[in-house]
Amino acid sequence: RKEVEQDPGPFNVPEGATVAFNCTYSNSASQSFFWYRQDCRKEPKLLMSVYSSGNEDGRFTAQLNRASQYISLLIRDSKLSDSATYLCVVNGKTGANNLFFGTGTRLTVIP
Amino acid sequence: DARVTQTPRHKVTEMGQEVTMRCQPILGHNTVFWYRQTMMQGLELLAYFRNRAPLDDSGMPKDRFSAEMPDATLATLKIQPSEPRDSAVYFCASGLPITGEQYFGPGTRLTVT
Repeated sequence: RKEVEQDPGPFNVPEGATVAFNCTYSNSASQSFFWYRQDCRKEPKLLMSVYSSGNEDGRFTAQLNRASQYISLLIRDSKLSDSATYLCVVNGKTGANNLFFGTGTRLTVIP
Repeated sequence: DARVTQTPRHKVTEMGQEVTMRCQPILGHNTVFWYRQTMMQGLELLAYFRNRAPLDDSGMPKDRFSAEMPDATLATLKIQPSEPRDSAVYFCASGLPITGEQYFGPGTRLTVT
C-alpha cells in the first residue's frame, strides 16, 4: 500500500467554483502534513502546512482527520492561476523529516 | 528571498558517462534532501542529510548513485555510470527539522541517451 494516495484527477472547474481534494495516508504515526503545489515543469512549492485543528489561508482551507487518516484541501473562488498539480505530503514517522509525496491531483480552472 | 539553487538545470549525456548534480541549500537550513521525479513514479526520496551527515539513503541505487555534503553550502548527487532509466528531474530541497517544511530547488532535468 502506498504511504499517500490521492485521486489523480483531472479536476476541471470553472472560475469561481469551490473544489476539494482529499488524500489518505497509511502510517498512523505520521505527525506532519502538508499540501504542496507544483506547476508544469517547475518545482513543488509549499502551499500550506496542515494542523490538527484545521487551518485557513485566504481561499485555501486544510483539514486533517486523524481517525480516518485523511487530509483535505478546499479551494474557494477558484482563479485561473490556481491551475496546477496539488501534492499531498505526509512525514514517514514521528520525528522524521523524510516526507512521502502523493502523486498529485491535477486541477485546471477554466475561464 | 532565500532559495535553493541547483546546477546544472539541464543535462544531456550518453549512457555510461558520469553525472554530477550540485545543490546549494538555503542558508541556515540543516536538512538537505535529494528527490527524483518521473511521470511514472512521481517524487521519490533518494537521500537526506542532517547537519551534513547522511541519515537515509535507502531510496538510492547504491551501485551507481552517491550523495555527499562536502560542506554546509554544497550537496552533490553523482551517478556513475549513468543509464537511460536514470532520465528524470532531480530536485534538491532543504529545510529545518523542527517544522518539517521543505523548500525545493528548480531541479536538474537529466536525459541519458
